[in-house]
Amino acid sequence: EPEVTQTPSHQVTQMGQEVILRCVPISNHLYFYWYRQILGQKVEFLVSFYNNEISEKSEIFDDQFSVERPDGSNFTLKIRSTKLEDSAMYFCASSVDRFYEQYFGPGTRLTVT
Amino acid sequence: AQKVTQAQTEISVVEKEDVTLDCVYETRDTTYYLFWYKQPPSGELVFLIRRNSFDEQNEISGRYSWNFQKSTSSFNFTITASQVVDSAVYFCALKIIQGAQKLVFGQGTRLTINP
Repeated sequence: EPEVTQTPSHQVTQMGQEVILRCVPISNHLYFYWYRQILGQKVEFLVSFYNNEISEKSEIFDDQFSVERPDGSNFTLKIRSTKLEDSAMYFCASSVDRFYEQYFGPGTRLTVT
Repeated sequence: AQKVTQAQTEISVVEKEDVTLDCVYETRDTTYYLFWYKQPPSGELVFLIRRNSFDEQNEISGRYSWNFQKSTSSFNFTITASQVVDSAVYFCALKIIQGAQKLVFGQGTRLTINP
């Protein structure tokens, strides 16, 4: 069964460093998303991406964040200058279209020290 | 704006008991989807069900059943004859159909099934 994959599973970085989180969505899906979950809290939407551009973003997704689909399979989230409060689990998701359920990857745990 | 409330933060039951997880949502939109996701201890989010706002039929899948009541803006999830493997955090989520693509999640309910 196809699934969303994410790498790395855990990333530790120092405050102020740039990080890139990687995702491979399900191959026939057209919509891609990033969410984050601070430890013990609810899952929060960051951004959605369709047809090579951002289609929706939340207030959390400020200028420090960017997304890219550098080739036909990968979808990346870049955080330019990490802050302590960026420590969270970051989930990538994809859906076949914007009405259907979103399938989530296993997450990348980002720890900023 | 949309909001999802899962008032039960934690529930603990003994194996084989039935358990119901509550979900109440708020939206001004008349067309929307509701979802349940399971987050086991390993951390991934597993899709369980999607329901649209114009279909209030209840759904049963094995030991799982969902009760959607538009009149009370609720979408409750019942596990019958619970098992230890059902232990997880369960999230209810809402997505409006017009425009937005984001899922709005509730705070989640941590369900512990004790042997």
